[in-house]
Amino acid sequence: EVQLVESGGAVVQPGGSLRLSCTASGFNFDDYTMYWVRQTPRKGLEWVALIWGDGRTSYFADSMRGRFTISRDNGKDSLYLQIHNLRPDDTALYHCVKEGVSGWWLDVWGRGTSVTVSP
Amino acid sequence: QSALTQTRSVSGSPGQSVTISCTGTSSDIGRFNLVSWYQRRPGKIPKVLIYDVTKRPSGVPDRFSGSRSGNTASLTISGLQAEDEGDYFCCAYGGNFDLLFGGGTELTVL
Repeated sequence: EVQLVESGGAVVQPGGSLRLSCTASGFNFDDYTMYWVRQTPRKGLEWVALIWGDGRTSYFADSMRGRFTISRDNGKDSLYLQIHNLRPDDTALYHCVKEGVSGWWLDVWGRGTSVTVSP
Repeated sequence: QSALTQTRSVSGSPGQSVTISCTGTSSDIGRFNLVSWYQRRPGKIPKVLIYDVTKRPSGVPDRFSGSRSGNTASLTISGLQAEDEGDYFCCAYGGNFDLLFGGGTELTVL
């Protein structure tokens, strides 16, 4: 069974940094592009970033470029998201997601890890 | 404001059909066969219903179907059931390695 388990979410002050992690199991991790998607009650779902299976190429939503870094460790079947200079509007549930085989769709979602940015 | 436009809410009675629309542009929905739909039920994680405009992943009932006309994609749910209540999001490849979401449509089963 494919499983994605996120961790690392926390309550942080504006301007702080955070590193989110996702541990994958049940599939050949390095064969798949992986995504981070966040959701909030107000904005719904919002794509954050993706990284190809070999870890060499990544892309970000325009509004995420600069403060977000995505990386992966295929030896540990793990995906990461580093967020710098956190802002209140970064408050969200962050999901790790496995891409579908044909590309550009979101096949399996993790339960998410919660990030709250508050003074 | 989301890149793709969805009706905020729809409703229907059990057994009826409802259609949720998602409007983009000729640069995204109208250009690529890369539209997907997700269901988010209360307390559950999002689940893919449709990908590549019309395809259903294994395990998704054939009550759910996708289509597209021009720059608008649609999700139709036939034989509405109480368990279908929740939020539905469209998603499309926007070109230039960009993924776009709609703002979501709340489905109420009366």
